Amino acid sequence: EVQLVESGGGLVQPGGSLRLSCAVSGVAVGGNYMSWVRQAPGKGLEWVSNIYTGGSAFYADSVKGRFTISRDNSKNTLYLQMNSLRVDDTALYYCARGPNCDSWGQGTLVTDSS
Amino acid sequence: IFLTQSPATLSLSPGQRATLSCRASQSVSSYLAWFQQRPGQAPRLLIYDISKRAPGIPARFSGSGSGTDFTLTISSLEPEDFAVYYCHQHDNWPLTFGPGTKVDIK
Repeated sequence: EVQLVESGGGLVQPGGSLRLSCAVSGVAVGGNYMSWVRQAPGKGLEWVSNIYTGGSAFYADSVKGRFTISRDNSKNTLYLQMNSLRVDDTALYYCARGPNCDSWGQGTLVTDSS
Repeated sequence: IFLTQSPATLSLSPGQRATLSCRASQSVSSYLAWFQQRPGQAPRLLIYDISKRAPGIPARFSGSGSGTDFTLTISSLEPEDFAVYYCHQHDNWPLTFGPGTKVDIK
């Protein structure tokens, strides 16, 4: 069974940084296409970034140049480094597996402290 | 590719049929999926590749469509089906989700 557990969210000031983690079990993170999707409070889903098995990464325009997706195969963990955070980055951040997002974590909340 | 969903809210009773629409701003090949999200829960994949049910998804859920027009049908609503439903395309960058359709109890 695939399990995804996000962590690393918290309060952050505008302009600050945060690194989110997604611990993966049941499959190899390096052998899977992985995504980050976020959901602002009371709003819909927004795709943020994904990484292919070969390492190619893609980003939404709203985060390009500020966020970086990566993975550590030895720890079986996916990451999202978020820099230059803005008020509108406040959201619940989910990691998901596969191009069809067939497995999701429960999310980690990023909130601006202003 | 922009996705629009209609209606925004669908008020129905248990046992009724629900028909949810998703329209794309340009043609989507086959990479169109549907997700269900219950309050306080993560999204759950229902349908992928337009019409394929994900493992464990009941047969009352079905997907159809092609090109720019897609439909999710719930043949007979169960109490646990009252939720928000999102369509999602991963055919073109940037990947996009529709704004959602809320199915609530009439």
